[in-house]
Amino acid sequence: ETGVTQSPTHLIKTRGQQVTLRCSSQSGHNTVSWYQQALGQGPQFIFQYYREEENGRGNFPPRFSGLQFPNYSSELNVNALELDDSALYLCASSLLAGGIYEQYFGPGTRLTVT
Amino acid sequence: GIQVEQSPPDLILQEGANSTLRCNFSDSVNNLQWFHQNPWGQLINLFYIPSGTKQNGRLSATTVATERYSLLYISSSQTTDSGVYFCAVGSSARQLTFGSGTQLTVLP
Repeated sequence: ETGVTQSPTHLIKTRGQQVTLRCSSQSGHNTVSWYQQALGQGPQFIFQYYREEENGRGNFPPRFSGLQFPNYSSELNVNALELDDSALYLCASSLLAGGIYEQYFGPGTRLTVT
Repeated sequence: GIQVEQSPPDLILQEGANSTLRCNFSDSVNNLQWFHQNPWGQLINLFYIPSGTKQNGRLSATTVATERYSLLYISSSQTTDSGVYFCAVGSSARQLTFGSGTQLTVLP
């Protein structure tokens, strides 16, 4: 069984630039969720994708967008980067079925905006 | 939205000691998970426990859904148990709401 993978591991961008982060879900899972974790805080929900459609969104502006592909992998895109976007971005996959909602997390992408 | 409070925020133990971490939440949930975040940032699943009691080795967890709290027990602590422990809850299949975590330090 393959776990959740994310790429890249680390990324440094300049304010105003755009960034794309990638996530491959655990085999057998059909749902991907993205979270942002600022230093010293718990992760915060950005959005979830199910069947290639956004299936819920947290309190993040529209410059945070995503995609899910037919193989259930996903991308998180952030436009017009701000210094406060510096954080660990975590992807989680789950299987929306059977009433069990356990999420499994990838190792994260650490984004630094200068 | 759901509020999640974890206590204590910091905990320092000697190796071999036992500890209890608490998670209070403000509404009914159908998902509750405990995680250990390692120094590299990876969230390791410890328990999926929206209700009831589970045990896995030296770790066990209990969730009393009607009273809106969950407890994580760590027995015979080891230095490798150090890190941040998060409780996360959800009332749907979508988002998890995380607490602020408990920073556990186990001294040799």
